[in-house]
Amino acid sequence: DTEVTQTPKHLVMGMTNKKSLKCEQHMGHRAMYWYKQKAKKPPELMFVYSYEKLSINESVPSRFSPECPNSSLLNLHLHALQPEDSALYLCASSLSGTSGGTYYEQYFGPGTRLTVT
Amino acid sequence: AQTVTQSQPEMSVQEAETVTLSCTYDTSESDYYLFWYKQPPSRQMILVIRQEAYKQQNATENRFSVNFQKAAKSFSLKISDSQLGDAAMYFCAYNGANNLFFGTGTRLTVIP
Repeated sequence: DTEVTQTPKHLVMGMTNKKSLKCEQHMGHRAMYWYKQKAKKPPELMFVYSYEKLSINESVPSRFSPECPNSSLLNLHLHALQPEDSALYLCASSLSGTSGGTYYEQYFGPGTRLTVT
Repeated sequence: AQTVTQSQPEMSVQEAETVTLSCTYDTSESDYYLFWYKQPPSRQMILVIRQEAYKQQNATENRFSVNFQKAAKSFSLKISDSQLGDAAMYFCAYNGANNLFFGTGTRLTVIP
């Protein structure tokens, strides 16, 4: 089973709302990732969790707040977003992170299409 | 810093024919992996094929194969017997010590 699930599929929120995106995998992967993808562009890395600890934050604004409650679950909490934050948000997981010289392919979820009004 | 370049924004191929998508990368690392991901209109990024830099043999997965030229830092994807379901955006990606870097993508159209 190489499935990463994401909910919701679509989300429309106002600039004053608080919402959360959820990502789940049951492959025993210990690294999980959030990416932001604008139309016709490649995904941009936002956050990396390795063994449930935040290991990379790519200078993402604080209105995005990641959380990794356990090894299977990854959340992205959203608050006071701007219209330019509208994008496809992709979650991915891999067996482990890239430390130690071993690199594993990332498996992606179907994404959440976020629209900020 | 690692960079990945896909010089073909769009490509088209007749159904059942063969097409090659180009990718070059720049790195000073000696140990890394390269991937091709496919993203159809359904949006999900699907891993197509992977290549370990230390392996000289080119990876193959059914109709998909790569031409990996390490000295030239080139990593092209060949799709044989193209099918309508192959239509998608294809991203070349480099995975080294600092996570995954994507190229800008090539949109492949398959003509019936």
